[in-house]
Amino acid sequence: GAVVSQHPSRVICKSGTSVKIECRSLDFQATTMFWYRQFPKQSLMLMATSNEGSKATYEQGVEKDKFLINHASLTLSTLTVTSAHPEDSSFYICSASTGTLQETQYFGPGTRLLVL
Amino acid sequence: AQSVTQLGSHVSVSEGALVLLRCNYSSSVPPYLFWYVQYPNQGLQLLLKYTTGATLVKGINGFEAEFKKSETSFHLTKPSAHMSDAAEYFCAVSDQTGGFKTIFGAGTRLFVKA
Repeated sequence: GAVVSQHPSRVICKSGTSVKIECRSLDFQATTMFWYRQFPKQSLMLMATSNEGSKATYEQGVEKDKFLINHASLTLSTLTVTSAHPEDSSFYICSASTGTLQETQYFGPGTRLLVL
Repeated sequence: AQSVTQLGSHVSVSEGALVLLRCNYSSSVPPYLFWYVQYPNQGLQLLLKYTTGATLVKGINGFEAEFKKSETSFHLTKPSAHMSDAAEYFCAVSDQTGGFKTIFGAGTRLFVKA
């Protein structure tokens, strides 16, 4: 149980294009989803927290117009990197938590983004 | 504000030896504490967590951790290392007042020598 998937697992795009990453909770309803960014050999940095049906809460220093987050349902959240640039290349990981065990996050396998 | 400090960015042990990964935290309220493992190019897998109750927590793959409030520590141990334990390990802290936002330590890479 508590499986989270991400799609795509890897994406390469040209500079200036937008990329959408999906995060799905497969067997539970995720009241809250989190988006992280991880640079090589570094820890996870929280980008934003999203609750179903409401606007995402972004961490300080994260551009909300650059990283659009939508949490339209209890099983799906999307992160769109708009007008991507090479410095946006990173490993993006989502996680989800349920209403009953809010302290536990279940992580997706991550999406490797490479912007050329 | 919460914070997590993992002592040692790299730890190397021989196969069969004790594994000890250190984690200290800072939190103004009772914390929830976690250990996650990450294999290359993969997401994070929860090893174990402490919320309330028993301070010695047992997790998957033979790992365990002890919450010591007086020392603000949550060190991860395993009696006998296996080659498959080689990975990156992250200690993390969250609490209810912060909306369960999780703060991660910098990570410790565990190497296991044959």
